[in-house]
Amino acid sequence: QKEVEQDPGPLSVPEGAIVSLNCTYSNSAFQYFMWYRQYSRKGPELLMYTYSSGNKEDGRFTAQVDKSSKYISLFIRDSQPSDSATYLCAMSEGTYKYIFGTGTRLKVLA
Amino acid sequence: DSGVTQTPKHLITATGQRVTLRCSPRSGDLSVYWYQQSLDQGLQFLIQYYNGEERAKGNILERFSAQQFPDLHSELNLSSLELGDSALYFCASSFSGSGTDTQYFGPGTRLTVL
Repeated sequence: QKEVEQDPGPLSVPEGAIVSLNCTYSNSAFQYFMWYRQYSRKGPELLMYTYSSGNKEDGRFTAQVDKSSKYISLFIRDSQPSDSATYLCAMSEGTYKYIFGTGTRLKVLA
Repeated sequence: DSGVTQTPKHLITATGQRVTLRCSPRSGDLSVYWYQQSLDQGLQFLIQYYNGEERAKGNILERFSAQQFPDLHSELNLSSLELGDSALYFCASSFSGSGTDTQYFGPGTRLTVL
């Protein structure tokens, strides 16, 4: 079993939809949770960074962490075609090491 | 633009050859990480350097080696290349190299081994 599981998609939604992206994990020592966006043939770009449980909002993006369920989510409101990318979750115990999910491909249709 | 630069963008070579990938971290960042991304494995951590010293090793093959120079740029050397080494190689940098630091990724080097 992988430490971090992420549905690879692809996920296709119409423009304006609310998108929900999720990761589950098995290591209860993870405390730091990140979401990266990766456009095709580009490097991952940090979107959200959260510590421990709770919600964090930044514009159209909301990150949620539920440590009791070992489940994290990224919500995208009013999705745009420019949001079409692969979304990677990443987690850390607070040491150097990030563990990444394999990514979910999102396509927002105009 | 993350501020992390990587060269070359693309590299095509043959099995058995050796290549060097180069990374310059963001200004002020002391730590560099190398990752390999393939379609079936996702982003795999290879190795981390902090201020010239190796700090941590991940799933790095013995045929691969890296170093970080006094000016903080880093090089990843891949030797005796195999078809399975074809992948995207990313460098990331952070200020202190701790797990609480944000890692900023470069644009990657696409390696194709024929």
